[in-house]
Amino acid sequence: DTGVSQDPRHKITKRGQNVTFRCDPISEHNRLYWYRQTLGQGPEFLTYFQNEAQLEKSRLLSDRFSAERPKGSFSTLEIQRTEQGDSAMYLCASSLSGTGIGYNEQFFGPGTRLTVL
Amino acid sequence: AQTVTQSQPEMSVQEAETVTLSCTYDTSESDYYLFWYKQPPSRQMILVIRQEAYKQQNATENRFSVNFQKAAKSFSLKISDSQLGDAAMYFCATIGTSYGKLTFGQGTILTVHP
Repeated sequence: DTGVSQDPRHKITKRGQNVTFRCDPISEHNRLYWYRQTLGQGPEFLTYFQNEAQLEKSRLLSDRFSAERPKGSFSTLEIQRTEQGDSAMYLCASSLSGTGIGYNEQFFGPGTRLTVL
Repeated sequence: AQTVTQSQPEMSVQEAETVTLSCTYDTSESDYYLFWYKQPPSRQMILVIRQEAYKQQNATENRFSVNFQKAAKSFSLKISDSQLGDAAMYFCATIGTSYGKLTFGQGTILTVHP
């Protein structure tokens, strides 16, 4: 399978705990994105990387959230001191950078569903 | 800044019939792309169809086609010969060529009745 993978698929945690999610993009893709999706809503952008560089962060990404892509391959998203409002589906996507329609198509992973009790 | 509005929270269609999902958008980008994504229940999001804003010709992909009205900032999706497997949440989205992120609408739940 050469698609985007995410791990874990489900995570249940208690309020105040830290959680970390992993995303493995399509191997030749240099851009990687994180989105958050709450039930019945469209995904909202959190942050994205081009290679190792984090190029943009949303205002949704509070100080409790941190994302890394240390070697320009997989990425991790950590949430510290989780709150019930963090409960959501966290989606990862990847794409190639460049001009033209093919370079702007983002391929999504299956997501990590986080439940904060 | 970009915004996407889907005014139909839910739509339904009979199998083999045609349905149109509406989407309007606003963007400050001079060049941008528009997409329709499909998200089946508990399954990952997949791209249905895409449109380059500079192209006047409407995109088509088999049973899926769009009606792109650039002046009106409208981008509707038409599904012909609807199938049970088309049942899903559909999202309209846009991306500017100078930005990496997709901006999504709120989604439309499509139900297909046999």
